[in-house]
Amino acid sequence: QPQLQESGPGLVKPSETLSLTCSVSGGSISSSSYYWGWIRQPPGKGLEWIGSIFHRGSTDYNPSLKSRVSMSVDTSKNQFSLKLSSVTAADTAVYYCARHGGGATTEFDNWGQGTQVIVSS
Amino acid sequence: QSVLTQPPSVSEAPRQRVTISCSGSSSNIGNNAVNWYQQLPGKAPKLLIYYNDLLPSGVSDRFSGSKSGTSASLAISGLQSEDEADYYCAAWDDSLNGWVFGGGTKLTVL
Repeated sequence: QPQLQESGPGLVKPSETLSLTCSVSGGSISSSSYYWGWIRQPPGKGLEWIGSIFHRGSTDYNPSLKSRVSMSVDTSKNQFSLKLSSVTAADTAVYYCARHGGGATTEFDNWGQGTQVIVSS
Repeated sequence: QSVLTQPPSVSEAPRQRVTISCSGSSSNIGNNAVNWYQQLPGKAPKLLIYYNDLLPSGVSDRFSGSKSGTSASLAISGLQSEDEADYYCAAWDDSLNGWVFGGGTKLTVL
């Protein structure tokens, strides 16, 4: 299985845009039928799916975040990215990237280690 | 408030069996597969059960999953201290057109 690694600023100011990248190694992001997703976990709380992207660019976003979320994929770098705009303290969380198959009968079978993002001035 | 409902915590003695429930609706568990994830303290979630009752390679057969209607369960037998973790159920939701998770259940091995 490929390895996933999140990267990006650990501190973001309120009202600014959070930007994270997930680098995939040990496998091509575009060589299979997998989707690539972002999940977050606020401190002491549960998991929340943010959205997913296919290597051809199609996306699904959590309706509760859709107005602020943008995802993209860079097949040349074997990376995919997350942008979350107009952040507030409520966006403070550990952000995970993960892989899942297409369709409703699949699962997140491969996760990155997560990256902590704090929203604070 | 999570779309899928789990008990916040469960506890049981070593070598015993425990079950964790996950309740949803017709738009998620009732119509789609349920997956379970184990999150050890300070670690990323790990796939534990997929497609309701299947074990990924390398996962102990002490773990088992089941689904009936709009509910699912995770059972862990022969409890060990290393099983202390948070457990999450998840499924695709046809109404939301996205993945939904349970709020998580913290397992304590007494």
